[in-house]
Amino acid sequence: QVQLQESGPGLVKPSQTLSLTCSVSGVSISSGGFFWNWIRQSPGKGLEWIGYIDHRGTTDYSPSLRSRVTMSVDTAKNQFSLKLSSVTAADTAVYFCARESYDTLTAYFYGLDVWGQGTTVTVSS
Amino acid sequence: IVLTQSPGTLSLSPGERATLSCRGSQSISSTYLAWYQQKPGQAPRLLIYGTSSRATGIPDRFSGSGSETDLDFTLTISRLEPGDSAVYYCQHYGGSPLITFGPGTRLEIK
Repeated sequence: QVQLQESGPGLVKPSQTLSLTCSVSGVSISSGGFFWNWIRQSPGKGLEWIGYIDHRGTTDYSPSLRSRVTMSVDTAKNQFSLKLSSVTAADTAVYFCARESYDTLTAYFYGLDVWGQGTTVTVSS
Repeated sequence: IVLTQSPGTLSLSPGERATLSCRGSQSISSTYLAWYQQKPGQAPRLLIYGTSSRATGIPDRFSGSGSETDLDFTLTISRLEPGDSAVYYCQHYGGSPLITFGPGTRLEIK
């Protein structure tokens, strides 16, 4: 079955860059019909979409984070990654990677149907 | 588009029916409205996409409804079970940002 697994440092110092990787198994990232998303959840708060990348490297980022976000994809390793620069305490959150499925012909959206378990990132000196 | 959900918290008994509401600040395409369930310490789980289509493995106790002409969409959970205790989020795809979530409804099964 399809599984996603986040990895990366659990502690990042203020002003530094947060780097996370999502390893995908059970499906090839190179397959069409998917967008690969990053979503975060601050302690006790709701869900915030960060952005997505597809297998070609096409990205779309949330306007509120666009100036600090970079996503990349490594099809050979079947992974995609997130970099968030100039972090502050406000970036402390659980970070999830998630697959978004859509129909390549109709663009019909099938939802964020597979999620990683999430990884906690704390920004602190 | 800003999504609002009501009520903020819902407390019901096993066997009852829960009705959760999601409202958009402007017109929402029913094609792009989804619902998720999140239990403590877990990732969200897709329940409903396209307003009313159940995701794989989701029991028919969960149903979604709504229309583009209304701004309101509804998740109904019938025959509540203790395991249904969770926070439920609606989500819209489209606009800027591309994906937005509602603030969630906490469902407690007492």
